Amino acid sequence: QSALTQPPSASGSPGQSVTISCTGTSSNFGFYKYVSWYQQHPGKAPKLIIYEVSKRPSGVPDRFSGSKSGNTASLTVSGLQAEDEADYYCGSYTGNEWGVFGGGTKLTVL
Amino acid sequence: EVHLVESGGGLLQPGGSLRLSCAVSGITVSNSYMSWARQAAGKGLEWVSALYPDGRTFYADSVRGRFTISRDNSNNALYLQMNSLRAEDTALYYCARLIAGYTADYWGQGTPVTVSS
Repeated sequence: QSALTQPPSASGSPGQSVTISCTGTSSNFGFYKYVSWYQQHPGKAPKLIIYEVSKRPSGVPDRFSGSKSGNTASLTVSGLQAEDEADYYCGSYTGNEWGVFGGGTKLTVL
Repeated sequence: EVHLVESGGGLLQPGGSLRLSCAVSGITVSNSYMSWARQAAGKGLEWVSALYPDGRTFYADSVRGRFTISRDNSNNALYLQMNSLRAEDTALYYCARLIAGYTADYWGQGTPVTVSS
């Protein structure tokens, strides 16, 4: 069982917005700014798309945004495109020099 | 441009040993926070081990005492020595560079490890 809980699936139509949640505990979201999100297409390595809750690495479209409230972080994908269909994982720093991932959410573009 | 290329994966029997390598270019391994993560087929991601610039090492409870992370500064490479392998170690193993807060900004393409009798 993952320390971070994500819904197994999410979906939306092209152009719509979809939000994926990631729920932790005060222990693993205690370092509140260290929440990250990764996109993984089938057969590919994970790609960092959000770090420190809401920052985007260079080259990541601004359609991807992150936020956090209490022990729940969220990834919102706006203006859904076909290429956004992938698995999405949240990650967090748990303290004690270790991290944890969520179980992953499969995003389907209808 | 940063590149991480893993190698060394394979098929082996329970109890066997394997050393994974990660050839790194574009960053200096000795100055970077480096890690190994794994992903079983159809499953999620899991941190396996990390190596800090000051030499400190960290391991998942499931591999502590069996796996050893190390680096070769002259070859700019990261390694994962895996001993006493179990069926549950079967996964695709990724090498990754860590930045603040256990965030991995660069990943390799992964090398597969299968432990089966």
